[in-house]
Amino acid sequence: ETGVTQTPRHLVMGMTNKKSLKCEQHLGHNAMYWYKQSAKKPLELMFVYSLEERVENNSVPSRFSPECPNSSHLFLHLHTLQPEDSALYLCASSHGGPGELFFGEGSRLTVL
Amino acid sequence: AQSVTQPDIHITVSEGASLELRCNYSYGATPYLFWYVQSPGQGLQLLLKYFSGDTLVQGIKGFEAEFKRSQSSFNLRKPSVHWSDAAEYFCAVAVGGSARQLTFGSGTQLTVLP
Repeated sequence: ETGVTQTPRHLVMGMTNKKSLKCEQHLGHNAMYWYKQSAKKPLELMFVYSLEERVENNSVPSRFSPECPNSSHLFLHLHTLQPEDSALYLCASSHGGPGELFFGEGSRLTVL
Repeated sequence: AQSVTQPDIHITVSEGASLELRCNYSYGATPYLFWYVQSPGQGLQLLLKYFSGDTLVQGIKGFEAEFKRSQSSFNLRKPSVHWSDAAEYFCAVAVGGSARQLTFGSGTQLTVLP
C-alpha cells in the first residue's frame, strides 16, 4: 500500500456511541493531521502531531480525542458526539517543514 | 491571525475556455501559499505551492498561479480547461515557525460545461 489510508470510509453513529477513526500513512512522513470538512465551511485543522510538537485547535470539543502511537498511525476517538459533528474527517501527513500535505480520502461521519 | 478569502463560491466555464480562480490572503508577512484540488469523494491533492522567488509558479495538470504581494493575492490559472478539471479548489496559507498549520479558504467549486 502507498499513500494515506483512512478507515472506515463511512460511519454512522448515535450520540451515545464510542467509535474511532483510523489513519495510516505509508510515506515515511513525520507529521500527521486531522482536519474537519463541513459543508460550506473552510477546512478546520483539529490536531497536528509531529516530532517537534503536538498542536491542538482549542476550539475542538473534548469529545474528540486524538491518539498518535507512532509516526505512521493516527486515531481520532469519538464519544458522545452531536449531530453538528457530522462531517468529512480528513487525515493528512507531511514531511519536513512547510510543504505538501498528502491527504487520505476521508471518513464520512454521520451522527444521528 | 491569518485568513484566506476565495471570493467565488462557484464558477462555471466551458471546456477549452481559460480559467482564473481568485485567492486573497491576510497576513503581516509573505506566507507560504498553496492551491489544492478535491475531486468528489476524494481527499485533497496539491496543485502547486509558492515559497519564494519567481512569483509565477507552475503546477501539475497545466495549472499555474501568480503571487502578487501588492494585492495579497495568489490566483490560480489555466489556459484551457478540460472536463476532468471539474472539482473544488482550495487556496491555503501556512505560517508559523514550522509552517505546518495550513489555513484554508472556503473553496471554489468549478463546473465545466461540454
